[in-house]
Amino acid sequence: GAGVSQTPSNKVTEKGKYVELRCDPISGHTALYWYRQSLGQGPEFLIYFQGTGAADDSGLPNDRFFAVRPEGSVSTLKIQRTERGDSAVYLCASSLGSSTYNEQFFGPGTRLTVL
Amino acid sequence: AQSVTQPDIHITVSEGASLELRCNYSYGATPYLFWYVQSPGQGLQLLLKYFSGDTLVQGIKGFEAEFKRSQSSFNLRKPSVHWSDAAEYFCAVVTTSGTYKYIFGTGTRLKVLA
Repeated sequence: GAGVSQTPSNKVTEKGKYVELRCDPISGHTALYWYRQSLGQGPEFLIYFQGTGAADDSGLPNDRFFAVRPEGSVSTLKIQRTERGDSAVYLCASSLGSSTYNEQFFGPGTRLTVL
Repeated sequence: AQSVTQPDIHITVSEGASLELRCNYSYGATPYLFWYVQSPGQGLQLLLKYFSGDTLVQGIKGFEAEFKRSQSSFNLRKPSVHWSDAAEYFCAVVTTSGTYKYIFGTGTRLKVLA
């Protein structure tokens, strides 16, 4: 079956602009995670959804970052007033449920470049 | 706080040579550990995972890892490296309550010499 997909694969924007990054999880997966991978670093947790609600947004760096999952499937990560430091690869992952035994499946990521 | 350390940023090996990538974790309870591989422009692919039981775990592509609680380590090994193994490798631990988020190490970039 289809894996996790993310669009766009690449996004170049100018400082101060607004961007939206989309994640399509594997069908039937109730848990969805966003991670950010900066150059030379491992992925870092941003936010976790169980169903439609954000169960843990403790990884969001500041209030310019926001994410939604209105119907419990597709999720959108929104970044306002982008800064050069936001440049990174944004990864989405989904899992069948929320437990240590539910493997997270990762999408290919969206590479965001803020000029 | 939970953390994962990968001491080696870069490793270079010759094709056919053996490989060991180091991973150390800091976690109060029984850790659930993973190794992922990321090729350029690709997503993260799971190589293997350890939840419990046998401390030597077999994975895909001929990789294995050994969990050593006394050393807080989960090192990845391969007896004979192929040129296609050149990639970045990440060790991760999953939190065991609440969010079940993954905590990743900073990665080890593997270069394979022909």
